[in-house]
Amino acid sequence: GAGVSQSPRYKVAKRGQDVALRCDPISGHVSLFWYQQALGQGPEFLTYFQNEAQLDKSGLPSDRFFAERPEGSVSTLKIQRTQQEDSAVYLCASSLVIMTTPNYGYTFGSGTRLTVV
Amino acid sequence: AQSVSQHNHHVILSEAASLELGCNYSYGGTVNLFWYVQYPGQHLQLLLKYFSGDPLVKGIKGFEAEFIKSKFSFNLRKPSVQWSDTAEYFCAVTAEYGNKLVFGAGTILRVKS
Repeated sequence: GAGVSQSPRYKVAKRGQDVALRCDPISGHVSLFWYQQALGQGPEFLTYFQNEAQLDKSGLPSDRFFAERPEGSVSTLKIQRTQQEDSAVYLCASSLVIMTTPNYGYTFGSGTRLTVV
Repeated sequence: AQSVSQHNHHVILSEAASLELGCNYSYGGTVNLFWYVQYPGQHLQLLLKYFSGDPLVKGIKGFEAEFIKSKFSFNLRKPSVQWSDTAEYFCAVTAEYGNKLVFGAGTILRVKS
């Protein structure tokens, strides 16, 4: 597609429920990122994939958060046993190049707004 | 660790007023700097970026930013704002060969027509 597609756009989960958020990056994009944006804050890095390899997961806030990109294209961010503090917009971004290449650019998706009640 | 500070969380301007949004970062090494914009209901879009060279960077829609290394700053400017510039603006930084953006908290700009 022309842009990064994320689904669902909105998700309401009951506390303790597991959720799965999907990201379809631009076709051919090597790098894929997940960010978490809490209300009134800027996006915060969660994890980074280069193709199917998860090279950096230092931003994942707890072991309840898990991300995968098994075939190097679509990625899923899974949150187990959701808590109220997980309520945020989850953004996906992709890039054609690997991140050590200067002059790279990211394309962001519109995000999934997760509300845990 | 890198951090980014944006000075104002909300700015209200009248059309044709000049805009300057402050951004300071904390990092000791070489950095890449970005300004992103998020219009209501839309995704984050790149306004401009600085990697090296001329510290005055021009972006889309008449925006520019100046990198002042001695002040660790990358302020965004526009000489005359329009109602359509109403949006949230984010400053971000990566290390020179870094793989993740570190964002500021954002500045919500409202332009009154």
